[in-house]
Amino acid sequence: EIVLTQSPVTLSLSPGDRATLSCRASQSVNNYLAWYQQKPGQAPGLLIYDVSNRATGVPVRFSGSGSGTDFTLTISSLEPEDFAVYYCQQRYNWPLTFGGGTKVQI
Amino acid sequence: EEQLVESGGGVVQPGGSLRLSCVVPEFTFSGFSLVWVRQAPGKGLEWIAYINSGSSDIYYADSVKGRFTISRDNAKNSLYLDMKSLRAEDTATYFCARDHLLAFIYYGMDVWGQGTTVTVSS
Repeated sequence: EIVLTQSPVTLSLSPGDRATLSCRASQSVNNYLAWYQQKPGQAPGLLIYDVSNRATGVPVRFSGSGSGTDFTLTISSLEPEDFAVYYCQQRYNWPLTFGGGTKVQI
Repeated sequence: EEQLVESGGGVVQPGGSLRLSCVVPEFTFSGFSLVWVRQAPGKGLEWIAYINSGSSDIYYADSVKGRFTISRDNAKNSLYLDMKSLRAEDTATYFCARDHLLAFIYYGMDVWGQGTTVTVSS
């Protein structure tokens, strides 16, 4: 099983700050990595697919990067609506796995 | 906006059974793989089952293997999750989602339902 480790667990920032979220895989996932945003009481929503491609409608302040085992989600300037939990997920191998999540809070 | 609609959640006793359903808009359903993902209260996301468009490839997480069965009815644009021998640790919100892999590019779980809640308790 590919374990995805996200860090930090919690990120305390202010609107306008830059957020950098990390996702490390226990083995290479090639480019089969996606990021999701989840707000309280809501379903997750796709943010980034194929490591670095923004999903439809996702603002340009969100960007993804990385390769192999190390991946990063960057929010260039936090908006109030960006305070949420973020998950990475791999599709390279079974079982599909998610990281434990990073909560971005004020 | 495309969205999936789950139903069938509820309260069930340990050892009981439940069937979850997910209705998928035709454009979203046709030719796509689908998954079930669950989230225990206050916890993260856990993938539990996958089915491809023709139902020829099916995978499960170890935590549900042998107890849960995923299936789909393409004529009804519907996805199902039959759950038996339910345990307290199966208490969660269950989401269905489209899993979009095409030509070696992973487009992610790009369409989700709003979730249905299952509580296993005596």
